Amino acid sequence: QQQVKQSPQSLIVQKGGISIINCAYENTAFDYFPWYQQFPGKGPALLIAIRPDVSEKKEGRFTISFNKSAKQFSLHIMDSQPGDSATYFCAARRSGTALIFGKGTTLSVSS
Amino acid sequence: NAGVTQTPKFQVLKTGQSMTLQCAQDMNHEYMSWYRQDPGMGLRLIHYSVGAGITDQGEVPNGYNVSRSTTEDFPLRLLSAAPSQTSVYFCASSYSIGVHYGYTFGSGTRLTVV
Repeated sequence: QQQVKQSPQSLIVQKGGISIINCAYENTAFDYFPWYQQFPGKGPALLIAIRPDVSEKKEGRFTISFNKSAKQFSLHIMDSQPGDSATYFCAARRSGTALIFGKGTTLSVSS
Repeated sequence: NAGVTQTPKFQVLKTGQSMTLQCAQDMNHEYMSWYRQDPGMGLRLIHYSVGAGITDQGEVPNGYNVSRSTTEDFPLRLLSAAPSQTSVYFCASSYSIGVHYGYTFGSGTRLTVV
């Protein structure tokens, strides 16, 4: 049973476009929802995170939208750049436990 | 300040051999966890610890043991390696202060079991 479902598996976006990655979860006890970025050969690095009492959080070109009733959250990358080409993971955590990750989305930004 | 240090970076084992993947953090984080990453599968939680002396199973614990005798160290033991354990292993540590969490990942150990 996959606790965090991520889509799409891969995404190709033109430079300057908007990249959108979606995640859905089942466990309503989750209280922390981060997004991670990973480059080949590196460990995941935190990009942005949100808590369920907030519907949107923006940091630079990256925005998380959170829909508590639908149990969904998404990552929007505005003005996508070739340097954004990486694998992105959504995750969720219940207090007192560890992060559970989605399967990842490979983003390619074409110039 | 080294963050999370994983050793070794690469390892080749023969089926049936045992080994320990080391993970150490110097940030006094209470939480530590181990993940394995396989193509198309994301990062799957193996075991985690919420403090010294406390461990719990994650999504894929079979074939792995852990212990947490100190805050700094969280080793992952493979008792009898199998080819299915070929993967990249990541250790992470985190703090929890009120509603804020901060996770730091190590650079990974690439394990091949032949």
